[in-house]
Amino acid sequence: IAGITQAPTSQILAAGRRMTLRCTQDMRHNAMYWYRQDLGLGLRLIHYSNTAGTTGKGEVPDGYSVSRANTDDFPLTLASAVPSQTSVYFCASSDSTSGTQYFGPGTRLTVL
Amino acid sequence: GQNIDQPTEMTATEGAIVQINCTYQTSGFNGLFWYQQHAGEAPTFLSYNVLDGLEEKGRFSSFLSRSKGYSYLLLKELQMKDSASYLCAVMDSNYQLIWGAGTKLIIKP
Repeated sequence: IAGITQAPTSQILAAGRRMTLRCTQDMRHNAMYWYRQDLGLGLRLIHYSNTAGTTGKGEVPDGYSVSRANTDDFPLTLASAVPSQTSVYFCASSDSTSGTQYFGPGTRLTVL
Repeated sequence: GQNIDQPTEMTATEGAIVQINCTYQTSGFNGLFWYQQHAGEAPTFLSYNVLDGLEEKGRFSSFLSRSKGYSYLLLKELQMKDSASYLCAVMDSNYQLIWGAGTKLIIKP
């Protein structure tokens, strides 16, 4: 692994189903983030984690949950997907000195 | 509220120079970032400014004026591969990034 990986790359999901998006980094960054990106709206923060064992809510947390059991992994769960959660989801981690965030390749999720 | 403004779209010619502006109003300021995002890909880091002035990095330069809440990204000797969206983001007092919606840059031959 080099950097940040996300899985799956894309997914089509029926409304009401549960879905977990996976994110793993190997840079030993303390902080990790989940964003969604929708056309014309830019990146919006869903949840974040400043260090393993802690999580926080971002701008748009409703309908999503996260966990941070260790430094490397930061999964995002949609408990019961709805069509408005159709989006591209990016995971990122940051370097604690400058706060520069580095992004995974993204997951394109469609909820029907 | 917190707000980052940048133009939605700009067009420039290959070989020319283009300046993408960003103005911001945030609760606190701990630095301003510029990212490049090609269509269908993830954002990639371009530059970071925390002090006033110009930071030059090859063909790309970024300028910051904290008193004016203003930054610009200057791209010189434009190449077709520079066609992308450019995202401005400000780190607020909670050390969270507040993102602009991005500027789509179209390069014409």
